[in-house]
Amino acid sequence: KAGVTQTPRYLIKTRGQQVTLSCSPISGHRSVSWYQQTPGQGLQFLFEYFSETQRNKGNFPGRFSGRQFSNSRSEMNVSTLELGDSALYLCASSNGDVLPLYGYTFGSGTRLTVV
Amino acid sequence: AQSVTQLGSHVSVSEGALVLLRCNYSSSVPPYLFWYVQYPNQGLQLLLKYTSAATLVKGINGFEAEFKKSETSFHLTKPSAHMSDAAEYFCAVSDSGSSNTGKLIFGQGTTLQVKP
Repeated sequence: KAGVTQTPRYLIKTRGQQVTLSCSPISGHRSVSWYQQTPGQGLQFLFEYFSETQRNKGNFPGRFSGRQFSNSRSEMNVSTLELGDSALYLCASSNGDVLPLYGYTFGSGTRLTVV
Repeated sequence: AQSVTQLGSHVSVSEGALVLLRCNYSSSVPPYLFWYVQYPNQGLQLLLKYTSAATLVKGINGFEAEFKKSETSFHLTKPSAHMSDAAEYFCAVSDSGSSNTGKLIFGQGTTLQVKP
């Protein structure tokens, strides 16, 4: 079956702009989590959505937001981009009553460069 | 709060040698633990996970890890390194404040170099 699909793969934006990233989970998966990966901070959790509801949120400013649609596809938005937002953004999908038991499948990521 | 420490940001081994990547965790409740591998410009691929079913967990590509509660460790091993194993490896623990959470806490990663 198809894996987790993230679009676009690469993105270049200018400081102050906003950006929207998309994640399509594995068919049937209801949980989508987002992570930011940078050389300095490593992998950091942004937020998780389950059945269109945000269940968990990491320690990021309000410029970072997300949503999930009824088909489980998720988008994350970053407004007023800063140079420090340059990163690889990864999403992961999961399912089941206990997500860690089921495991998490990651997409290939979106590489965002802010100039 | 849960945390993960990976000892050694870079590990270098010769092809055919034992691979040992170290991971220690901190958790106030029985943890769910994971090892992921990341190749350049790619996402994370699950190698194996510990979910309390067995302390020795076998994963893909010949990797395995042993959960040791007394040492709060979950080290990753492979008996014989292959050139294709060169990548970055991440240990992660599930945020078990709520068992049904989508949040993973990652270690800083270990880059494995395999020399011919």
